[in-house]
Amino acid sequence: QVQLQESGPGLVKPSQTLSLTCTVSGVSISGDDCYWSWIRQPPGKDLELIGYIYFSGNGYYNPSLGNRVSMSVDTSSNRFSLSLTSMTAADTAVYYCARDPGFCNRTSCYHHFDTWGQGTLVTVSS
Amino acid sequence: QSVLTQPPSVSGAPGQRVTISCTGTSSNIGAGYAVYWYQQVPGAAPKLLIDTYNYRPSGVPDRFSASKSGSSASLAITGLQAEDEADYHCQSYDSGLSGPVFGSGTKVTVL
Repeated sequence: QVQLQESGPGLVKPSQTLSLTCTVSGVSISGDDCYWSWIRQPPGKDLELIGYIYFSGNGYYNPSLGNRVSMSVDTSSNRFSLSLTSMTAADTAVYYCARDPGFCNRTSCYHHFDTWGQGTLVTVSS
Repeated sequence: QSVLTQPPSVSGAPGQRVTISCTGTSSNIGAGYAVYWYQQVPGAAPKLLIDTYNYRPSGVPDRFSASKSGSSASLAITGLQAEDEADYHCQSYDSGLSGPVFGSGTKVTVL
C-alpha cells in the first residue's frame, strides 16, 4: 500500500523560504514510473497544483508561481521535497504531496493524482 | 480563480440523484483531455473518485458515474447517502498551461 507523509514547519515568516519533505512508503520513487507532486489548498479555497517531479529530475512547475518553486528527489531515502521562496500571507495553505501516475503521449495527457498525503498546514505570519 | 468552473454547492435528499458540472474551455476539457473527480471530506485530503472513462479505484461505489460532452464534464451521484456529503473537485489537463488544472470545487449537502 502506497503512503505519503508530509513534514516541515507549520509556521513560516514572511519573505522566508518554505521547505517541505514528503516521505513515500510502499513503493520505490525511482521504480514506480510516476510523477511526485505538490498541491496546496488555501483555507476555504480551491486546490492548486504547485508542480511535480520525476525521479530523474524532470518535472513541471505551475507558471503562476514563477521562479519561486523548486523540487528535488532523494531516491536513497525515498523522499521528495519542495522549496518555495519569498513566502507571503497568500501562501498560507494546507500543502499536500501526491502521486501522479499519469503521462503524456502523442495525442493526450493523463496526469492525475491517485494517492495523497494527509496534508500539512503552513501558516505565513511574523 | 480556477480554470475549471463548478457550482459552489448542490444538495439533495437521501436516495436522490445529484449532478455536478465542471465547465472548461477548448484548451482543456474541450480539447479532449480526460477529467478526474476527487472527493474531499472535511478535514481530510482529497481522494481520487472516478475518471472520464468511469474507472473507479477500489472501494468507490458504482453510485458515482462520470460523463463528458464538449467542454464540460459531469459527476453524478445516484442513491445519495449521508456519507456522500463532501467537497468534490474536477481536474483535467490544460494545453495552454501545459499542466493539470483543478476546478473550483462543489460542496454536496445531503438534506
